[in-house]
Amino acid sequence: NAGVTQTPKFQVLKTGQSMTLQCAQDMNHNSMYWYRQDPGMGLRLIYYSASEGTTDKGEVPNGYNVSRLNKREFSLRLESAAPSQTSVYFCASSETGRATGELFFGEGSRLTVL
Amino acid sequence: AQKVTQAQTEISVVEKEDVTLDCVYETRDTTYYLFWYKQPPSGELVFLIRRNSFDEQNEISGRYSWNFQKSTSSFNFTITASQVVDSAVYFCALGFLTGNQFYFGTGTSLTVIP
Repeated sequence: NAGVTQTPKFQVLKTGQSMTLQCAQDMNHNSMYWYRQDPGMGLRLIYYSASEGTTDKGEVPNGYNVSRLNKREFSLRLESAAPSQTSVYFCASSETGRATGELFFGEGSRLTVL
Repeated sequence: AQKVTQAQTEISVVEKEDVTLDCVYETRDTTYYLFWYKQPPSGELVFLIRRNSFDEQNEISGRYSWNFQKSTSSFNFTITASQVVDSAVYFCALGFLTGNQFYFGTGTSLTVIP
């Protein structure tokens, strides 16, 4: 069982460079999420997608774009990376509908912007 | 507004001691879900428990137990006879049927000293 797979696990960027974090889940979940984790701030939601073809902003969307390519895949793009985007990024999925299931997380992607 | 507060930033205990991690939440919704996640030093996020707002029964799973009290908006987590492997950051989270959002506390870092 792969669960939620995100790539890359580590990335170093220079300010102004762009990159895309990829995420795929094999649990047939409707909802997918991107969070960032910073010391002392817990997990903050960047964007989420309730279903294929829909995306919504979370708490900290500025500087990011997302694409829900299909039910399995949800990518996060940094168009022009900034040092403030240095963080650990987690993709997650959950089954939502008549009940709210728990979040299943990927292993995280550590991004450093110089 | 939806909010989760974990007032304990860091806790240290000696092995075999019991420890309680506090979680206080705020919401005006009547239907919601509460979760606990564990993040060991390796960095992954591990689901521990889900509780819906209509089920105030306490739960015990091995050395872990959870106390849900709607009257005080709390969902506390107790580890009995702590072990070094319990050392981790623990997150409490609040989720909803609508809106597809989960709100995380800032986490409590638990260190169990051998």
